[in-house]
Amino acid sequence: DVKVTQSSRYLVKRTGEKVFLECVQDMDHENMFWYRQDPGLGLRLIYFSYDVKMKEKGDIPEGYSVSREKKERFSLILESASTNQTSMYLCASSFRRKTQYFGPGTRLLVL
Amino acid sequence: GENVEQHPSTLSVQEGDSAVIKCTYSDSASNYFPWYKQELGKRPQLIIDIRSNVGEKKDQRIAVTLNKTAKHFSLHITETQPEDSAVYFCAASAPFSGGYNKLIFGAGTRLAVHP
Repeated sequence: DVKVTQSSRYLVKRTGEKVFLECVQDMDHENMFWYRQDPGLGLRLIYFSYDVKMKEKGDIPEGYSVSREKKERFSLILESASTNQTSMYLCASSFRRKTQYFGPGTRLLVL
Repeated sequence: GENVEQHPSTLSVQEGDSAVIKCTYSDSASNYFPWYKQELGKRPQLIIDIRSNVGEKKDQRIAVTLNKTAKHFSLHITETQPEDSAVYFCAASAPFSGGYNKLIFGAGTRLAVHP
């Protein structure tokens, strides 16, 4: 059974803070993804990684960066959090072009 | 750019009725179409998917149909039950840099099944 975990379920940060969201998967998947989910907008891809130390920008990468130092771990970084980054963040992983499995999500509030 | 439109945004049915959710995609290169169900406070979970070489796929009470010519695909849930209440997302694959594919998601449909 695939397990994708995220470091926090809820997070409250202040404007300008540096924020780290971590995602870990235990199925040796090559691909990992970060999405943000907002009402009425569905899930939008922020960044994608297809291998260790590899990353590709998604549809809304502005204000975010990522790090993938180990295959099982994919981190999303908000260098200087802003209120418009208040959202639900979902991590996902997949094996090659197969099904994406999602983590439980992190609800981030930036004050 | 790539786009997936999903309708309706909300759907209310009586238990036992059928529910249909429709999606339209823009990229003719899309070849993989998954559907995810997200219950309140939970993660999205894949419930069914279809590839472009197939026109229809069924799994018990859920089925998905694909019309490549018209670029639309639909989710059909028969004999709905209260536990079917959730937000449903459609998605379509789209070419990505380096030969990879990404998923473009629809905005979601909130389905409510009333006993």
